[in-house]
Amino acid sequence: DAGVIQSPRHEVTEMGQEVTLRCKPISGHDYLFWYRQTMMRGLELLIYFNNNVPIDDSGMPEDRFSAKMPNASFSTLKIQPSEPRDSAVYFCASSPWGGSSYNEQFFGPGTRLTVL
Amino acid sequence: GQQVMQIPQYQHVQEGEDFTTYCNSSTTLSNIQWYKQRPGGHPVFLIQLVKSGEVKKQKRLTFQFGEAKKNSSLHITATQTTDVGTYFCAAFYSNYQLIWGAGTKLIIKP
Repeated sequence: DAGVIQSPRHEVTEMGQEVTLRCKPISGHDYLFWYRQTMMRGLELLIYFNNNVPIDDSGMPEDRFSAKMPNASFSTLKIQPSEPRDSAVYFCASSPWGGSSYNEQFFGPGTRLTVL
Repeated sequence: GQQVMQIPQYQHVQEGEDFTTYCNSSTTLSNIQWYKQRPGGHPVFLIQLVKSGEVKKQKRLTFQFGEAKKNSSLHITATQTTDVGTYFCAAFYSNYQLIWGAGTKLIIKP
């Protein structure tokens, strides 16, 4: 398996532009997670899905952020409009259900977003 | 709401010394996971603890889950340069909430 795939790996955009980050989870995994990592705030969980349904989106910073999972093999995180403070590394992770509990998360390589 | 405190934020050690990081929750956990992130990399799963009082070992790494399932620790014996990175705990709660610790950065003194 190729692992979790994220695109693009790097994105540089100007303030006010729309940004779309993409993630392909590992086939067969039931859970998908979106994270943001910065030096100041560390690793933050933004949202996670179970079987394409959002379970906890309490970490989504504000209405400018939205996430979708239209099917089991694809998810997007959209920022509109983007602001310089959104600059961060965004990780996607997927995880199989462990039967009676959660299971390990497999992280993608991340998308480094820079908003000028 | 639930909170997870991970300490210390940084730990500087000489190679060969031990390292410990702790995670403490204000409420009972369903289970807890530990991850390691190397500089410039992504978090990589180390282990999951589910049972009260559970202790697991991976070579020089020892993981513990408290009896009350509110705290956990990761201990590395005789650190090596390959251990450098940031160690995170990820706490799962029965209401499906997932909270990550702030991470402990292990730095080996030259």
